[in-house]
Amino acid sequence: GNSVTQMEGPVTLSEEAFLTINCTYTATGYPSLFWYVQYPGEGLQLLLKATKADDKGSNKGFEATYRKETTSFHLEKGSVQVSDSAVYFCALKAGGSYIPTFGRGTSLIVHP
Amino acid sequence: NAGVTQTPKFQVLKTGQSMTLQCAQDMNHNSMYWYRQDPGMGLRLIYYSASEGTTDKGEVPNGYNVSRLNKREFSLRLESAAPSQTSVYFCASRDRTPTEAFFGQGTRLTVV
Repeated sequence: GNSVTQMEGPVTLSEEAFLTINCTYTATGYPSLFWYVQYPGEGLQLLLKATKADDKGSNKGFEATYRKETTSFHLEKGSVQVSDSAVYFCALKAGGSYIPTFGRGTSLIVHP
Repeated sequence: NAGVTQTPKFQVLKTGQSMTLQCAQDMNHNSMYWYRQDPGMGLRLIYYSASEGTTDKGEVPNGYNVSRLNKREFSLRLESAAPSQTSVYFCASRDRTPTEAFFGQGTRLTVV
C-alpha cells in the first residue's frame, strides 16, 4: 500500500536558520507529492507540490524536489522566520486511488 | 470563494448524545473526506466519498456514519458520542485536477 514517513518533531530552530524536514514515501505507480502546512487553530493548506520525477515545487521560500530514485520529497527553506512556526505534512496521491495519504506531521517551532 | 466550510467550529457533547458535523464545498469537487486529528496520530481517514452517491469506510469508521447529501455537502454523524471521539475533525475535498486536497477550518469536538 501507499505510505508516507516524515521525521518526528518538534523541530526547534532559531530565526534565519536553515530548515530541512525529511519525507520518504512508498507508492504504486508515479504519485503526485505534496507539502501541506497547518498554522495553529487552522486547517491544512497546500504549501507546494510536484507531480513528476525531478520536479521542484516552491512557495514562500520553501522548496522540495521529487526524487524518484530515493523516493523522497524533503522540504527545505534557507532562512526560517517566526511566522513559519506550524505543523508540516508530507502527502502523496497515487494514480488510481481516491485517497490522499498523509504523513504524521512535523511540528516546527522558530524562536526569535 | 469560500472553499470548504465546516460547521460548527466548536462543540461540547455529553457521552451518549448525538450530533451531525456539516461540510460544504463550492469548488464542484467530486471527492470529499472526513478526517480526525489527534495529538501524535496525524490525520486519520474516517470516511470518504469518491463521488456523489457513493461513500466508503476509511481507517477509523467505527462510531460514525456519513451522508453525501449532494455534490456540495458531506455530513458526519456521531450517533452516541464517546469520550474517545474527542478530537479535531476536518473535512476536505479534491478533484482530478488539481490533485491537491482543500481543507475546512476544522470542528473541535469535546465529549465529556
